[in-house]
Amino acid sequence: LAKTTQPISMDSYEGQEVNITCSHNNIATNDYITWYQQFPSQGPRFIIQGYKTKVTNEVASLFIPADRKSSTLSLPRVSLSDTAVYYCLVATGRRALTFGSGTRLQVQP
Amino acid sequence: GAVVSQHPSWVICKSGTSVKIECRSLDFQATTMFWYRQFPKQSLMLMATSNEGSKATYEQGVEKDKFLINHASLTLSTLTVTSAHPEDSSFYICSARDPRPNTGELFFGEGSRLTVL
Repeated sequence: LAKTTQPISMDSYEGQEVNITCSHNNIATNDYITWYQQFPSQGPRFIIQGYKTKVTNEVASLFIPADRKSSTLSLPRVSLSDTAVYYCLVATGRRALTFGSGTRLQVQP
Repeated sequence: GAVVSQHPSWVICKSGTSVKIECRSLDFQATTMFWYRQFPKQSLMLMATSNEGSKATYEQGVEKDKFLINHASLTLSTLTVTSAHPEDSSFYICSARDPRPNTGELFFGEGSRLTVL
């Protein structure tokens, strides 16, 4: 399974754009990149998934360079409610997902 | 969207007793479910893969006789912590994969917080 590396923590202010980068140097050809958000005492929640280039949905964008060895989750104009832990995962098909350490994002007023 | 529900959301028990946690896929069938454990300030750790109609697959270091997993139907998997001890106190989370083809999304339950006194 591809190992992922993310910053342990990040701080931001309300209204700012936050970019969290994840390294996955040994990503396999068939692996997808998925990001989850977790609030305290809750199960993780799917944010976005991509294979290459750029993916955008109503809450975030995911940028994946051509070599796919990294990915960047972009959260536009964060609010206090975006304070959470964000996990980057890389996996193929039906296998279970292995969680890395995640990035603890703290949004301040 | 697909929903995974866990019950109970929290439980307190005495040391030596057994506790059962249920995980249900509410609007889809899940032949495979995954059980995770999470200690405070730590990431999720995969414990086992629950397979409908067959034995669960446990991760290295997870005692199968202590954490009994049963997946008797396509919508229900149960995790039983047998002879619980204080070190088993943790946040247990189950998940099931989106049944739609070509998606890798996992749906997670709300989690069950176990406190063993």
